[in-house]
Amino acid sequence: GENVEQHPSTLSVQEGDSAVIKCTYSDSASNYFPWYKQELGKRPQLIIDIRSNVGEKKDQRIAVTLNKTAKHFSLHITETQPEDSAVYFCAASIRSSARQLTFGSGTQLTVLP
Amino acid sequence: KAGVTQTPRYLIKTRGQQVTLSCSPISGHRSVSWYQQTPGQGLQFLFEYFSETQRNKGNFPGRFSGRQFSNSRSEMNVSTLELGDSALYLCASSGGQGRPEAFFGQGTRLTVV
Repeated sequence: GENVEQHPSTLSVQEGDSAVIKCTYSDSASNYFPWYKQELGKRPQLIIDIRSNVGEKKDQRIAVTLNKTAKHFSLHITETQPEDSAVYFCAASIRSSARQLTFGSGTQLTVLP
Repeated sequence: KAGVTQTPRYLIKTRGQQVTLSCSPISGHRSVSWYQQTPGQGLQFLFEYFSETQRNKGNFPGRFSGRQFSNSRSEMNVSTLELGDSALYLCASSGGQGRPEAFFGQGTRLTVV
């Protein structure tokens, strides 16, 4: 089955700096890649997603890049703010949607004021 | 539009008992997926239901089962509870207007003692 590896497991950045989280997947049939943010005690929230026919997608300070050949995708957060502090999960699916997601192990991002 | 609603929020059960968790998806969403979240194993896919049929199943024992009703509400059942079943159980609904995104409920925190 699909396996998703996520790095780093923890990441600390200064407010205003950029943060990058990387994921690799094993199944070349994967075609949908969402990212979720989970604050302590809260539900995972979708922050951005990308389909396999797109190489990059941006939404304000957040961007995701996908390299299908290398089977990896990354989350980029620019101008980080303290409220960006949370656990971020990448995920992959072969179903062209989020119906059956395989998640990475998560990255604890801490933005230091 | 109301979000995904899970009940109950918290449960404490004894080993050997069974438990039923409920999930009401976003109106118009016909797919409901269930995930188990633990500190050690992260987010793991349990199963997915669509139009009252189980479409996909993760690698969990037969003690974990589910069903979906005609109004898309879903339940999952865990029989013969074990200490290791203590976890946050999350459901996610998707499929609205043909879009791929999934949105999570706030989860049910199950503690087995």
